[in-house]
Amino acid sequence: GAGVSQSPSNKVTEKGKDVELRCDPISGHTALYWYRQRLGQGLEFLIYFQGNSAPDKSGLPSDRFSAERTGESVSTLTIQRTQQEDSAVYLCASSFRGTGSGNTIYFGEGSWLTVV
Amino acid sequence: KQEVTQIPAALSVPEGENLVLNCSFTDSAIYNLQWFRQDPGKGLTSLLLIQSSQREQTSGRLNASLDKSSGRSTLYIAASQPGDSATYLCAPSNDYKLSFGAGTTVTVRA
Repeated sequence: GAGVSQSPSNKVTEKGKDVELRCDPISGHTALYWYRQRLGQGLEFLIYFQGNSAPDKSGLPSDRFSAERTGESVSTLTIQRTQQEDSAVYLCASSFRGTGSGNTIYFGEGSWLTVV
Repeated sequence: KQEVTQIPAALSVPEGENLVLNCSFTDSAIYNLQWFRQDPGKGLTSLLLIQSSQREQTSGRLNASLDKSSGRSTLYIAASQPGDSATYLCAPSNDYKLSFGAGTTVTVRA
């Protein structure tokens, strides 16, 4: 597609359930990021994938969070045993290589997660 | 850890006025800095990217300056329009990792 695509756009789940969020980056972009934005707050880095290198998982807040990426395409972010504090918008972004190379980063419209 | 502060948190101006948005960051060892725009319920749109070796970058009515040694960047928007109403985010990049401020929410009154 022309841009970064995320699904679902909205998800309401019960506390304790698992959720899976999907990101389809721009074709040809080797770098993929996940960020979280809680209401009224800035973006928090979660995880970074670059090609076939080991991902930087340093931003994942707990072991309930995990993410995978298949080659240089789709990524899924999984949250197990969801808690109310997980309610946020989860933003995916991609770039041609990483932003350190001066490449523009493109964001999807986000997956809005509400845990009730 | 990179800490990013944006001042003011909110700004309301009449149409036609120039806007000045400030960003400061604690770790000056950045590769570049980007300014983004975020509209309610939408993702982020990149506005300008300034490399660490540059002092400023311009695109249309937008101009961003960077003083890397003092950890500051300023976004100027000339002749503001109601369509400029949005939240503006500053994001310095340490290698591949972007750190974000909480943003400045701008309202331009017609």
